[in-house]
Amino acid sequence: EIVVTQSPATLSLSPGERATLSCRASHSISTYLGWYQQKPGQAPRLLIYDASIRATGTPGRFSGSGSGTDFTLTISSLEAEDSAVYYCQQRWNWYTFGQGTKLEIK
Amino acid sequence: EVKLVESGGDLVKPGGSLRLSCAASAFTLSNALMHWVRQAPGEGLEWVGRIDTKANGDTTDYAAPVGGRFFISRDDSENTLSLEMHSLKTEDTAVYFCATELQYCTGVTCHPLRYFDNWGQGTLVTVSS
Repeated sequence: EIVVTQSPATLSLSPGERATLSCRASHSISTYLGWYQQKPGQAPRLLIYDASIRATGTPGRFSGSGSGTDFTLTISSLEAEDSAVYYCQQRWNWYTFGQGTKLEIK
Repeated sequence: EVKLVESGGDLVKPGGSLRLSCAASAFTLSNALMHWVRQAPGEGLEWVGRIDTKANGDTTDYAAPVGGRFFISRDDSENTLSLEMHSLKTEDTAVYFCATELQYCTGVTCHPLRYFDNWGQGTLVTVSS
């Protein structure tokens, strides 16, 4: 099983700042990684797939990068509505998710 | 607009059974690769299982923790997806989401991309004595 580890567990930033969230896979997964946003009481929402492709409706301030085992989700200029838990998911070998990064907007 | 609505969540005793449903609208369920994903209270996301399209033989696959206990099926006449759960354990307590798999389509050919692009709101299953 491919284990996906996210860091940090919690991130607290101010509006307008840049957020950098990390995801590391236990084995190389090429670019087969997606990112989801989940707000309290809601279902997850797909933001990015195949490491860097924005899903339909994803704002341009969200970008993804990486390949192999190390991946990054960047939010270029935070807005209050970006407060959420962010999960990464690998699709190289079945489907496994990271444990999430909670992003708080001060 | 694609819509998925889960139902059937309940409180059930360990060892019991439960059937969840996912009603789909604005698309034909039999043409979609469908998944169940669960989330234990305060925890992360865990893939449960999937059913392939009718054209691909309705093949099902399951995560190891639920294999042999959970079964996914589809009712094409009702456009609904089901998750039958048996021999329930306390660790099965979670919100259960149904979700569609993202596809890349060129012309009449679609290729599954193994991400989840449309989700229902979830239904809570609590396994407790």
